[in-house]
Amino acid sequence: AQSVTQLDSQVPVFEEAPVELRCNYSSSVSVYLFWYVQYPNQGLQLLLKYLSGSTLVKGINGFEAEFNKSQTSFHLRKPSVHISDTAEYFCAVSVLKAAGNKLTFGGGTRVLVKP
Amino acid sequence: DAGVTQSPTHLIKTRGQQVTLRCSPKSGHDTVSWYQQALGQGPQFIFQYYEEEERQRGNFPDRFSGHQFPNYSSELNVNALLLGDSALYLCASSLTQNTYEQYFGPGTRLTVT
Repeated sequence: AQSVTQLDSQVPVFEEAPVELRCNYSSSVSVYLFWYVQYPNQGLQLLLKYLSGSTLVKGINGFEAEFNKSQTSFHLRKPSVHISDTAEYFCAVSVLKAAGNKLTFGGGTRVLVKP
Repeated sequence: DAGVTQSPTHLIKTRGQQVTLRCSPKSGHDTVSWYQQALGQGPQFIFQYYEEEERQRGNFPDRFSGHQFPNYSSELNVNALLLGDSALYLCASSLTQNTYEQYFGPGTRLTVT
């Protein structure tokens, strides 16, 4: 079984400051890794994904994440946040080559961008 | 191109009742998954449908059941509702059963009183 831990439940940050959201996972097999964003009263939108190759992946809206296999981490970063980045962010994993592609999510990190 | 659509948007039910939620996948997608997101938590996988059959199931009781139709749309049924079933129910579709990327709908907010 897989599990995902998001170490911070809430992250307040000032506009134009950098932000890092931490994600650690546990799995006995190789996984795909994802970050999703959920704006208030909306569904989930994919920010970025790691499947293979370069451990630094870039996504939409200026976000990037780095996969660290030895530390089983997939932290999300943005160098300069905007008010519009206020949302909840979810890290998720999916098992490679499984029959089916279910996602296992972390508990989420709520980002509040202050002016 | 319409994305994933869900209906209804909101629903209020009483304990013990039954509810049916509906989902239409993104055009061209044949696999539908359902997730339950309780307030303040991450989504939890309920089950996945492909070729009109349940292919994967999470740790949910048999009160949760589903169906997939030939046009790939799907229903989630919950019987004997409990207060703890109050949540946002998210539907996600993917191109195939083994495609990594899932597209989510806006969800159905179910409140059980």
